[in-house]
Amino acid sequence: DAKTTQPNSMESNEEEPVHLPCNHSTISGTDYIHWYRQLPSQGPEYVIHGLTSNVNNRMASLAIAEDRKSSTLILHRATLRDAAVYYCILRDLTGANNLFFGTGTRLTVIP
Amino acid sequence: ETGVTQTPRHLVMGMTNKKSLKCEQHLGHNAMYWYKQSAKKPLELMFVYSLEERVENNSVPSRFSPECPNSSHLFLHLHTLQPEDSALYLCASSPEVFMSSGNTIYFGEGSWLTVV
Repeated sequence: DAKTTQPNSMESNEEEPVHLPCNHSTISGTDYIHWYRQLPSQGPEYVIHGLTSNVNNRMASLAIAEDRKSSTLILHRATLRDAAVYYCILRDLTGANNLFFGTGTRLTVIP
Repeated sequence: ETGVTQTPRHLVMGMTNKKSLKCEQHLGHNAMYWYKQSAKKPLELMFVYSLEERVENNSVPSRFSPECPNSSHLFLHLHTLQPEDSALYLCASSPEVFMSSGNTIYFGEGSWLTVV
C-alpha cells in the first residue's frame, strides 16, 4: 500500500513555476520527506529532502505543511530538461533499509 | 555522471543463459543496493549490502544471485531467468545503509535486461 499519493501527471509551460504536490498523511514524526526524479532512460536522481522546515537548493524548493501530512516540490522556472517522473518518498517502515518510491508524477514541460 | 557506473547498459539473454550485471561506485560509500524497475510498477528493492555484507534480501528468487567482493563493487548474477524478469535493473549506493532518513541514495543509469 502506498505511503505517498501524487497525481499521475502534470503539465507546465516552459519558464513557468511548477508546484508538484504530495500527500503523506501517515508520515511518522521522524521521517524525512525525500524527492527524487527520473529522467527518460536514466536512474533516479536526488532532488531535495526535508523534515519540518521548508528547504531550498539549486534544483528546487520544498514546502512542507505544518502538520507534515503534505508537501510540495517547487521548480521555480521549468525547463525542457525538467521533464521527468518526480517521486515523493518516505522511508519504508516495513524495511528500514528501503525508500518507498510509489509511481510518481510524470511532468511534461511544454515549449 | 552520478559516480555509480553500471555495465552493460543493455543485455538480451535466453532463459538458459548465465550472465552478470556489474556495478561500481566511485563515491567511497559503504552501502550498495540492487533495485528492479518494471514497466508501470514502483521501484522494488532487491538486495542491500553494507560493507560487503548482505543486510537485506527482499524475497528475491534464487535465480538472482548478488555478490559484493568489496565496498566499491556489486554484481548481480543471472541464471535461468524468465521473460517476466525483463526490466531495468538499477544499482545504487549511499554513505551508510539507509537506516537514517537523512541519507541520500545515488543511482546508476541502470541495465536494461530483456529475457527471451
